[in-house]
Amino acid sequence: AQKVTQAQTEISVVEKEDVTLDCVYETRDTTYYLFWYKQPPSGELVFLIRRNSFDEQNEISGRYSWNFQKSTSSFNFTITASQVVDSAVYFCALRKPGSARQLTFGSGTQLTVLP
Amino acid sequence: DTEVTQTPKHLVMGMTNKKSLKCEQHMGHRAMYWYKQKAKKPPELMFVYSYEKLSINESVPSRFSPECPNSSLLNLHLHALQPEDSALYLCASSQGGGGSNTGELFFGEGSRLTVL
Repeated sequence: AQKVTQAQTEISVVEKEDVTLDCVYETRDTTYYLFWYKQPPSGELVFLIRRNSFDEQNEISGRYSWNFQKSTSSFNFTITASQVVDSAVYFCALRKPGSARQLTFGSGTQLTVLP
Repeated sequence: DTEVTQTPKHLVMGMTNKKSLKCEQHMGHRAMYWYKQKAKKPPELMFVYSYEKLSINESVPSRFSPECPNSSLLNLHLHALQPEDSALYLCASSQGGGGSNTGELFFGEGSRLTVL
């Protein structure tokens, strides 16, 4: 069975602070995909990144960066110099290749960035 | 701007009403999904269509009836709903279907449903 744990239910930071959202996953599969989605108040789930299990290279996209560590089964997400527009619920998700059903979401982290 | 379009954005209906939610994508994706999301919870999978055929029904009550008229459209017909069915209904699509379904899902903005 797959499981994704986002232990941080809510985080509040002041604008321009850096913030890291934690994601820990469990799976017996050797091949899998990890995702981060952002859900602003408008409701849409916005795709941020996909990582496959063979690629542990960290990634940076503007103010966003992701740290994937298979040794600790973690896929953490850092926002540098946070902005008010970053306020949203962030979901980490795990997918087994070839299985439409096996997209497992974490419970989400509500990030609030205060001006 | 999202490439998955859902209508209506908001819907209020009584328990005896019949209504439909609509979803459209023009990315050439061959898999489409319906998810249900309650407040402060992650999305829950309801249905999956792969190459216009229903491939997964997650034991959803029959008062929810999906339909995929073509590869770009996905509908969710609603009839005799209960107040507990009030939720955000999200449509998503992904490239490929069936065994090649490895890609990310692209979601619409959702239809916020209130059942009175």
